[in-house]
Amino acid sequence: EDKVVQSPLSLVVHEGDTVTLNCSYEVTNFRSLLWYKQEKKAPTFLFMLTSSGIEKKSGRLSSILDKKELFSILNITATQTGDSAVYLCAVDNAGGTSYGKLTFGQGTILTVHP
Amino acid sequence: DAGVIQSPRHEVTEMGQEVTLRCKPISGHNSLFWYRQTMMRGLELLIYFNNNVPIDDSGMPEDRFSAKMPNASFSTLKIQPSEPRDSAVYFCASSRAPGLAGDGVQFFGPGTRLTVL
Repeated sequence: EDKVVQSPLSLVVHEGDTVTLNCSYEVTNFRSLLWYKQEKKAPTFLFMLTSSGIEKKSGRLSSILDKKELFSILNITATQTGDSAVYLCAVDNAGGTSYGKLTFGQGTILTVHP
Repeated sequence: DAGVIQSPRHEVTEMGQEVTLRCKPISGHNSLFWYRQTMMRGLELLIYFNNNVPIDDSGMPEDRFSAKMPNASFSTLKIQPSEPRDSAVYFCASSRAPGLAGDGVQFFGPGTRLTVL
């Protein structure tokens, strides 16, 4: 069974801190790993990673994938209160007729205090 | 471009009533997913369609739940009869299925918050 585990489950920091969120996975036929941000509404897409060692970056957020060790990290530098959210990691297992079915982790709740 | 559209945004009903949730995927997307989210269980996939055909409904909790996709621009999730434990946020998401024309990134609708009293 596909498995996605995120750590830590929750994190409290102050504005300006740098945080690293972790995602490890076990799937039979990996195609891609995705990160989403969820505030008090629907998850919004951040990054899709398919190749090891290639960093994806958007402003203060960046992410990288290690396909050998089966994990990904999401870094947020100079955190702001607006970064407070649940961050979800999901993996697309290409096996069979998955048509892009994602297996989600349980999420990391990030709280950034002023 | 309009994103995924869901209706209603909020639904309050009494136990035993029928509930119908609606979803319009992003135009051009050929895969559609229904999720349920609760504090206890997180985000759970209920069912998904590809080219309007149900592919995997193993996440549907029981026979009280059913879903249809009569055409490429509309899907429904029905609960009959509803129970208090069905209270949750229900999300619809759509994507271009991975392949030559798609990368599988799912885009979520705003969700329907269902409360069953």
